[in-house]
Amino acid sequence: RKEVEQDPGPFNVPEGATVAFNCTYSNSASQSFFWYRQDCRKEPKLLMSVYSSGNEDGRFTAQLNRASQYISLLIRDSKLSDSATYLCVVNPLGNQGGKLIFGQGTELSVKP
Amino acid sequence: EPEVTQTPSHQVTQMGQEVILRCVPISNHLYFYWYRQILGQKVEFLVSFYNNEISEKSEIFDDQFSVERPDGSNFTLKIRSTKLEDSAMYFCASSPQGFSYEQYFGPGTRLTVT
Repeated sequence: RKEVEQDPGPFNVPEGATVAFNCTYSNSASQSFFWYRQDCRKEPKLLMSVYSSGNEDGRFTAQLNRASQYISLLIRDSKLSDSATYLCVVNPLGNQGGKLIFGQGTELSVKP
Repeated sequence: EPEVTQTPSHQVTQMGQEVILRCVPISNHLYFYWYRQILGQKVEFLVSFYNNEISEKSEIFDDQFSVERPDGSNFTLKIRSTKLEDSAMYFCASSPQGFSYEQYFGPGTRLTVT
């Protein structure tokens, strides 16, 4: 089983749509979780950390289900500028200075 | 907003040559990292660095690779005797001291080995 697994997509949605991405991780002891976005041939940019209670940042909502080892990202009212690859990322040890394990990414294309 | 910078943006080298990739982490950050991404593949961890020593390294980070913080601002990745399969995007990242484990990435150096 892959350490971090995502549906690669692509997800093609119209502007204004709501889209959800899912991710599973294999190490049940993992402690810290993030969503990054990556534009073509650019660096990963931190979108949001994922907290146990779930968290929201504007149009973006992240949820964590530790029992199922499952992380989700919901994007409401999609904009053209949301088109990117969304990376599910885990810090397995949840430690300062710990490595990040990246999923393969889910590609999103928002069309007018 | 402070950001991680990397130079050069693109490096072309011949197989067997040595390359040094340079990074300037965010100034008050204490933890530094190198990752790589082969075209079409996922981002992979190479090494983490704290307090002037390697904290953790992956299986990829063999004797061919080394890291150094030669002064108070730069963080370098040296690849000795490059191979064709070293062609990739190399990202430097840094993170601050504290409860946040978020890492901030530089724009990357695209290494092409011919």
